[in-house]
Amino acid sequence: SQKIEQNSEALNIQEGKTATLTCNYTNYSPAYLQWYRQDPGRGPVFLLLIRENEKEKRKERLKVTFDTTLKQSLFHITASQPADSATYLCALDQAGTALIFGKGTTLSVSS
Amino acid sequence: DTAVSQTPKYLVTQMGNDKSIKCEQNLGHDTMYWYKQDSKKFLKIMFSYNNKELIINETVPNRFSPKSPDKAHLNLHINSLELGDSAVYFCASSQETGEFGYTFGSGTRLTVV
Repeated sequence: SQKIEQNSEALNIQEGKTATLTCNYTNYSPAYLQWYRQDPGRGPVFLLLIRENEKEKRKERLKVTFDTTLKQSLFHITASQPADSATYLCALDQAGTALIFGKGTTLSVSS
Repeated sequence: DTAVSQTPKYLVTQMGNDKSIKCEQNLGHDTMYWYKQDSKKFLKIMFSYNNKELIINETVPNRFSPKSPDKAHLNLHINSLELGDSAVYFCASSQETGEFGYTFGSGTRLTVV
């Protein structure tokens, strides 16, 4: 069966460290993978998209990698800040369908 | 200017009632979606419309019916509400292929009592 797994429900790190979140999938062949941020009481906000033929994408303090052999994406936030505390969702596109979301990892950055 | 707006933000209603949630986007996107986020925060696709035509209809009870009067609007009508329908419902929109990300509304928290 198809699965998207984000390795942990919660991740706690100290300010200034790099947060690394993992997204694994099985039985999908996505054309691209996306990462979203969701704050309590709000809708998800699009952060980054990476295509199947791209290994890495960066945007300011964010970096995403995509390994279609391992069927895994890593999402990094460098120099993390308390304002980065939120739930981060990975999402896959499957041709002919809407985005399929993982359950998310809730990141807490303490000062 | 809100890009994707949903109304109402909160909806409390009794079992058996019929209710509607409205969604409008001003981004000029071709495709609109309804997602359901349950108590475990899992976001699940319900419907997808492209230029007013239904293109995805996941396995949801037929008590749920989407209506798209034009490509900027996608409303969700729910008949005979049940306790299990309590959740947060998100509307979203995207360019046709979704390659530039989805824009979500702020959600409608539905509570059925």
